[in-house]
Amino acid sequence: LAKTTQPISMDSYEGQEVNITCSHNNIATNDYITWYQQFPSQGPRFIIQGYKTKVTNEVASLFIPADRKSSTLSLPRVSLSDTAVYYCLVGDNSGGGADGLTFGKGTHLIIQP
Amino acid sequence: NAGVTQTPKFQVLKTGQSMTLQCAQDMNHEYMSWYRQDPGMGLRLIHYSVGAGITDQGEVPNGYNVSRSTTEDFPLRLLSAAPSQTSVYFCASSYSPRGNYGYTFGSGTRLTVV
Repeated sequence: LAKTTQPISMDSYEGQEVNITCSHNNIATNDYITWYQQFPSQGPRFIIQGYKTKVTNEVASLFIPADRKSSTLSLPRVSLSDTAVYYCLVGDNSGGGADGLTFGKGTHLIIQP
Repeated sequence: NAGVTQTPKFQVLKTGQSMTLQCAQDMNHEYMSWYRQDPGMGLRLIHYSVGAGITDQGEVPNGYNVSRSTTEDFPLRLLSAAPSQTSVYFCASSYSPRGNYGYTFGSGTRLTVV
């Protein structure tokens, strides 16, 4: 099973930049790091994916250091609608197999006015 | 629109009843999986399939069966419903078993067992 560690919750304010860090010490060589967003009563939604260094799209940026044992999701200028649970998803090189991806508890991000 | 379709959206069962949660995708994804989500527990993998005719267990498989006769469909069967199976169930599909191209999730089935 994949092992990731994220903060349980974070608070911020509208217009601020929010950074959520995920630790994944057992990431597999060929695996990517993927972040998802989930609103209440909806399925998770893909946000961004990367392998190393930096990836940016219209929603977020993803920073991955050279050792790939952690990653940071950066949300620029958040709004109230960014209040959601954010999941970090990576592979697991501890045992192989196609079932190596498991969601953790995620980070509950609360944006205040 | 292309995606993952789950039916029904809501279901109430009595203890001991059986039912099948339906999941279909039209993206020709080989990998499909079922998750359950309970309050404060994140998503937990129930069963998964890497292609038609191939299924395997995830983290919490007890009380559930799956089959994969076609690439498009991956139904989840509850054999004898128990209150502990009250949860929200999500089906997901991906091009790659390791999700290297991202997962697409359905909108979920909210199941209550009384």
